[in-house]
Amino acid sequence: KQEVTQIPAALSVPEGENLVLNCSFTDSAIYNLQWFRQDPGKGLTSLLLIQSSQREQTSGRLNASLDKSSGRSTLYIAASQPGDSATYLCACTSGYALNFGKGTSLLVTP
Amino acid sequence: NAGVTQTPKFRVLKTGQSMTLLCAQDMNHEYMYWYRQDPGMGLRLIHYSVGEGTTAKGEVPDGYNVSRLKKQNFLLGLESAAPSQTSVYFCASQTGDTQYFGPGTRLTVL
Repeated sequence: KQEVTQIPAALSVPEGENLVLNCSFTDSAIYNLQWFRQDPGKGLTSLLLIQSSQREQTSGRLNASLDKSSGRSTLYIAASQPGDSATYLCACTSGYALNFGKGTSLLVTP
Repeated sequence: NAGVTQTPKFRVLKTGQSMTLLCAQDMNHEYMYWYRQDPGMGLRLIHYSVGEGTTAKGEVPDGYNVSRLKKQNFLLGLESAAPSQTSVYFCASQTGDTQYFGPGTRLTVL
């Protein structure tokens, strides 16, 4: 069974800092890996999707990398803003299912 | 285009009562999913459907039933609610590799 772990569980940074969120998975036979954002009391919004054949994806200030061989992915957020405060979830796809990590709760303080 | 909608948004049940959660999508997606999200557990897949008239079990299907009579709707039923089913329930639909999530239903079973 795929196990997805996210470190750290919570993170607080001052506005303007660059930061890295980590995701690891136990089974490298994944189809793709996605990063989601979840605001309190809301659903999930897909941020970036990396296919298993890709190494990274970028969208604005966000950059996600994937290293299948080591079972790791990172989400890099540049020049963080208070509006980035949310929970960030990574999920691996194997077959039909998304296997989620428990998330990293990010707080960006002004 | 409303995307994925869930009804109701909140519900309180007594142990043993039954209810149905409705998920609707207007994007003509074939695949639909039901997840539950619990503190410290992340999102776990309950049931999913790969098309109208089909359903399949996910990671935590016990105590739930589903139906997909129409392509745009995916219903999740609880026949006899238990306190362990207190959770936030998310529905998602999928096109390509991207899942689109609804806003969630917060269910409390007393």
